[in-house]
Amino acid sequence: DAGITQSPRHKVTETGTPVTLRCHQTENHRYMYWYRQDPGHGLRLIHYSYGVKDTDKGEVSDGYSVSRSKTEDFLLTLESATSSQTSVYFCAISDNHSFRDGYTFGSGTRLTVV
Amino acid sequence: KQEVTQIPAALSVPEGENLVLNCSFTDSAIYNLQWFRQDPGKGLTSLLLIQSSQREQTSGRLNASLDKSSGRSTLYIAASQPGDSATYLCAVFFNAGNNRKLIWGLGTSLAVNP
Repeated sequence: DAGITQSPRHKVTETGTPVTLRCHQTENHRYMYWYRQDPGHGLRLIHYSYGVKDTDKGEVSDGYSVSRSKTEDFLLTLESATSSQTSVYFCAISDNHSFRDGYTFGSGTRLTVV
Repeated sequence: KQEVTQIPAALSVPEGENLVLNCSFTDSAIYNLQWFRQDPGKGLTSLLLIQSSQREQTSGRLNASLDKSSGRSTLYIAASQPGDSATYLCAVFFNAGNNRKLIWGLGTSLAVNP
């Protein structure tokens, strides 16, 4: 996906360990989002950022924290991974929070917590 | 409660057929609506973005329409090809005063058979 990359692409981790996922963009977009996608639930917003060091919670933020120290990087941390956090995580970017120009998504990170 | 529904959940058609995917939403106060395509194990690719003031958008063989009064959007795919096989997601940005929120449908899984 042009301009936005996620790492790692796949991760297996043990319950109770911390995990950090990275989203990197080269579009200089102001807004960045972390979503999780699960069967039967569609995409759900975890956290989003509206600028460097400016973040806010989404609808499923419990157990997750985020940080944005640079415009291009948005990190998602699972403080103590649980099996319920096994999911596919997507990062998205937008130049406008009102969705005026739509979102661009990364390729996703498949996380398995065992 | 604002909801987005996509019916059917799965669709299988022979190659060459014209088809329509449906997206219904419960609140007519929308800002815009975006159709995405998701290939297995991949991220989301934006197909078409329709602003609330628009009735339709076209890109190649794809045409998306929007009828706010009936709470419905359709994605029309002309002359379907096996390469169109994917899951198609609809996302609606609701614009109810201060309660702006992006709601996702669960998608329609399309299989185009040679």
